[in-house]
Amino acid sequence: EAGVTQFPSHSVIEKGQTVTLRCDPISGHDNLYWYRRVMGKEIKFLLHFVKESKQDESGMPNNRFLAERTGGTYSTLKVQPAELEDSGVYFCASSPDYGGREQYFGPGTRLTVT
Amino acid sequence: AQKITQTQPGMFVQEKEAVTLDCTYDTSDPSYGLFWYKQPSSGEMIFLIYQGSYDQQNATEGRYSLNFQKARKSANLVISASQLGDSAMYFCAMRAYFGNEKLTFGTGTRLTIIP
Repeated sequence: EAGVTQFPSHSVIEKGQTVTLRCDPISGHDNLYWYRRVMGKEIKFLLHFVKESKQDESGMPNNRFLAERTGGTYSTLKVQPAELEDSGVYFCASSPDYGGREQYFGPGTRLTVT
Repeated sequence: AQKITQTQPGMFVQEKEAVTLDCTYDTSDPSYGLFWYKQPSSGEMIFLIYQGSYDQQNATEGRYSLNFQKARKSANLVISASQLGDSAMYFCAMRAYFGNEKLTFGTGTRLTIIP
C-alpha cells in the first residue's frame, strides 16, 4: 500500500510568487491534514479535511493560503502571494476514520521563499 | 488549548545505552492521546508509539516505551539499547481523544547516537 505522497519535495520561489503544494493521502483515508514547521519551531496544524469538507481550518495563518480537496482524494495548498515567513516544511497526513489513533505523514515539502 | 514542551533540543548518547526523551504536556481536555514521532534525516515522520490518557499501562512497542505519569503530565519516550539508526529528530505530540483531531507538537529533540 502506498503511503502519503507530497509534491514537490522542495520548492524555491521568490517573494510575491505563487506556489501550489500537492498531497495524495493513503487510498481510502477520509481525513487529510496539513501541518507546517517553520525552522526551529514546532510543527503547527493548518487544517483538516474530512473527505472534501474542511472540518477545521483554525490553523490557517491568513487568506494568502488556500486549501482544496476536490472529490475527497488529493489536496492542494496554494500560497499566493508567498512571503518570506512562509518558508518551512509543509507536511500532509491522513488517517482512515474519525478519531483514528494514528496519522500517517508524508515526507513533506520544503518551501523556501527568497 | 493544548501545549507540549520538550526541553531537550539535542542529546548525544552512546550506542547500546538507553535514552529517555522528555515530554511534558498541558491540556484541559478530559481525554487525550499522546504520540511520539521520529523524523530521520530523510524527512518523513514515522509514528512510534501511542498512549491514551485512560490506559492503565504504559505503552510499549519493541524497543520503545512511553513512561506516562498522568499526575505529572509527562510522557517521556524511552528507547532501550540505542542503535545508530535511532539518530533523528523526535517529536512528542498530543490530541484530544474525541472531537478535534489536530495534533499539537513540541519543538522536538535531536538525538544523536555515538558509535
